[in-house]
Amino acid sequence: DVKVTQSSRYLVKRTGEKVFLECVQDMDHENMFWYRQDPGLGLRLIYFSYDVKMKEKGDIPEGYSVSREKKERFSLILESASTNQTSMYLCASSPPYFSGNTIYFGEGSWLTVV
Amino acid sequence: DAKTTQPTSMDCAEGRAANLPCNHSTISGNEYVYWYRQIHSQGPQYIIHGLKNNETNEMASLIITEDRKSSTLILPHATLRDTAVYYCIVRVDPGTYKYIFGTGTRLKVLA
Repeated sequence: DVKVTQSSRYLVKRTGEKVFLECVQDMDHENMFWYRQDPGLGLRLIYFSYDVKMKEKGDIPEGYSVSREKKERFSLILESASTNQTSMYLCASSPPYFSGNTIYFGEGSWLTVV
Repeated sequence: DAKTTQPTSMDCAEGRAANLPCNHSTISGNEYVYWYRQIHSQGPQYIIHGLKNNETNEMASLIITEDRKSSTLILPHATLRDTAVYYCIVRVDPGTYKYIFGTGTRLKVLA
């Protein structure tokens, strides 16, 4: 079975803290993604990676960075957490792009910044 | 950008077919349409995808119009567990890895 695992389901952090959200996939997928989801705004792409050490900005990269040192692991980093980063964060992975390949999501990480 | 438009919400009686429409008038000729659903507090779950022809699997059927500007997801016998937000998405363009999610349709299946 396809599996994308996010390390933390619920986190509470203080403003200004550095926050790491970890994601691991066991499908040997080349592509990995980080989205955030907010009420009324749907899913918005923060960053994606198509290979180890490669990354591309999504639609809302400001305030975030990512790291992909190994194929199976993709980390989202909030350098200095702010209250407007309170959200649900979703990690996903997919095979290389050929039409018809699907994207698989983790269960989500609920981050509250106080 | 290829974007999708879906109704904000729909209701469906349990046991009846749920038909969820999606407009994607700017879809590229070789781009697939994907459908996902998200049950509260969980990650999105893949349902089905298609290019031109109608598709069916154990979860649902997908009907794509001939001009590919719209599609309909059909849950043939909706159950209470099908209550979720349903997303119709397309990739922005073949050269990127972006899947653009809209705000989806909130389907409520009524007993």
